[in-house]
Amino acid sequence: EDKVVQSPLSLVVHEGDTVTLNCSYEVTNFRSLLWYKQEKKAPTFLFMLTSSGIEKKSGRLSSILDNKELFSILNITATQTGDSAVYLCAVENRSYKYIFGTGTRLKVLA
Amino acid sequence: DSGVTQTPKHLITATGQRVTLRCSPRSGDLSVYWYQQSLDQGLQFLIQYYNGEERAKGNILERFSAQQFPDLHSELNLSSLELGDSALYFCASSVERDRSPGANVLTFGAGSRLTVL
Repeated sequence: EDKVVQSPLSLVVHEGDTVTLNCSYEVTNFRSLLWYKQEKKAPTFLFMLTSSGIEKKSGRLSSILDNKELFSILNITATQTGDSAVYLCAVENRSYKYIFGTGTRLKVLA
Repeated sequence: DSGVTQTPKHLITATGQRVTLRCSPRSGDLSVYWYQQSLDQGLQFLIQYYNGEERAKGNILERFSAQQFPDLHSELNLSSLELGDSALYFCASSVERDRSPGANVLTFGAGSRLTVL
């Protein structure tokens, strides 16, 4: 059965810290991996990764995929209180199904 | 505004009742996905429709059913409701015209919060 596991489950850091969130997966016929940020309501899209070793970057956030070791990391540098959220990882398989992990709950303290 | 519209935003009902949640996908998106998110749980995939036809099924209970109409909006029907059905129900849509990997991003609606008393 396809599976996505995120770690850690939760994380508390102080503003200015750097965090690394992990996502490992076992999926039949991988197509892509997506990262989402969920604050109060709907998950909002951050990155989509399809190729191993190519870093995607947006401001203080970056992400990379290793599709040999079957994992991805999401880095957030110089964290701010506005980064507090649940970060979700999802993997798309060949059946166009998106399997989500349970998420990492990040709390950034001022 | 993501472009995916879900109604109602909130719904409170009693056990044994039946409710219908509605989703209008983003303009141009052909595929609709339904997810359930219980308290402190991840997103559980329920069902996917593509251009009116069921494409994939997840852990959807027999008491639940869905359909996608010719105008591409979708409805999720939940019947014989139980306390454990209380959750946030998300609809998401994607284009899916281009089948290359990485061509499709799921865009989520704001969700329908169902409370069963």
